[in-house]
Amino acid sequence: DAGVTQSPTHLIKTRGQQVTLRCSPKSGHDTVSWYQQALGQGPQFIFQYYEEEERQRGNFPDRFSGHQFPNYSSELNVNALLLGDSALYLCASSLGTTGGYNSPLHFGNGTRLTVT
Amino acid sequence: GDSVTQMEGPVTLSEEAFLTINCTYTATGYPSLFWYVQYPGEGLQLLLKATKADDKGSNKGFEATYRKETTSFHLEKGSVQVSDSAVYFCALSDMNSGYSTLTFGKGTMLLVSP
Repeated sequence: DAGVTQSPTHLIKTRGQQVTLRCSPKSGHDTVSWYQQALGQGPQFIFQYYEEEERQRGNFPDRFSGHQFPNYSSELNVNALLLGDSALYLCASSLGTTGGYNSPLHFGNGTRLTVT
Repeated sequence: GDSVTQMEGPVTLSEEAFLTINCTYTATGYPSLFWYVQYPGEGLQLLLKATKADDKGSNKGFEATYRKETTSFHLEKGSVQVSDSAVYFCALSDMNSGYSTLTFGKGTMLLVSP
């Protein structure tokens, strides 16, 4: 049973560029959440997708956008990259938007984005 | 808003020592509480959870008790192993936003030597 898979594993971009990160949820999960983890910090919630719509959003600017496809996979797009966007981007999947006691988050190994 | 505060690391222990990692939280309402572990180069794995006051979560020898009166959820293990070396994150989830929206602490690195 495949868990959450993310691609690519590493990425280097230049300031001002745009980037797309991809995530496939764990089999059976329909909800995808994205988190940003800066070096030495805990993950911070970016947004959550369910039924192909953004359902919740954290305190991130509109440069961060996403998409969910009918097969529940998801993309995270970041425009006009800043140096401060350098971080590990984690995708997590769950069943339903409220998760529940028996449906905790399952995290992927992340995409390490470096902006130079 | 919600927040989680963890003791700063790294915590350095010898194998078989007793472990405590402190975690306190600030939240409105009655959050659920979690401990996640992150091994080098990997994503986060759920270690244990507690959903209401006085609940004790446990897994792989780790334990944590939800203390509403002290707003704490300290992680403990009686005898650590080298393989426990990792970064540990305390987190909470607001009941209104659901279990998939977590607020994390900054993490505490644990280093266990033979």
